[in-house]
Amino acid sequence: KAGVTQTPRYLIKTRGQQVTLSCSPISGHRSVSWYQQTPGQGLQFLFEYFSETQRNKGNFPGRFSGRQFSNSRSEMNVSTLELGDSALYLCASSPTAGSDTEAFFGQGTRLTVV
Amino acid sequence: GNSVTQMEGPVTLSEEAFLTINCTYTATGYPSLFWYVQYPGEGLQLLLKATKADDKGSNKGFEATYRKETTSFHLEKGSVQVSDSAVYFCALGGGSNYKLTFGKGTLLTVNP
Repeated sequence: KAGVTQTPRYLIKTRGQQVTLSCSPISGHRSVSWYQQTPGQGLQFLFEYFSETQRNKGNFPGRFSGRQFSNSRSEMNVSTLELGDSALYLCASSPTAGSDTEAFFGQGTRLTVV
Repeated sequence: GNSVTQMEGPVTLSEEAFLTINCTYTATGYPSLFWYVQYPGEGLQLLLKATKADDKGSNKGFEATYRKETTSFHLEKGSVQVSDSAVYFCALGGGSNYKLTFGKGTLLTVNP
C-alpha cells in the first residue's frame, strides 16, 4: 500500500509569490491534515479536511488556504509568500474521522522563501 | 486548550544506555497519546500510542504508559542503539478539534 505522497519535495520561491503544495493520502483515508514545522515553533497545525470539508483551522493568516478533492487528495496554497513561511510542510492522512487514531505522515515539502 | 510539554534536548547517550524522555500534557476530556519519531530528512512515523488511562504502548523496545493521575506519558527504552538517533515528539489527539497537538520535540543522539 502506497504511503502519503507529497509533491514537490523541495521548492524555492521568492517573496511575494504564491505556492501550491499537493498531498495524496493513503488509499481509503478520508481525513487529511497539514502541519508546518519550523525550528523555532515546532509542529503547528494548519488545517484538517474530511470528505472535502474543512473541519478545523489553525492560527495562521488568511494567506494560508487549502482544499480537498473528492478523491481525498488535498492541496494547500500560500499566497504573498514571506521569508517566515520557509518551513517543512507535512501532510498526514488518517483512516477515520477522529484524531484519536494514528496519523500517517508524508515526507514533507521543504519550502524556502528567498 | 490542549498542550504538551516534553523535556528539551538534545539528549546524548552511549549505546546500550537507558533512555527516558519526559512528556506531560494538559487536555480536557480523555485524549489519546502518541509518540512519533522523525529521522533526518523524513516525515513523522508513529512509534507507539495509548488511548486510555493505564494503557501501555510499546514498539521496538520503546514503552510509554498513559498516567492520568500525573498527566504524563514518558517514553522509555532499556538499551538504546545508534539507529535510535532521531527527534522524538510527544502528541495528544482526540476530541472534536480533529488535530494532533505536539510537544517541541527532543533530539536524541546515540554514540557507539
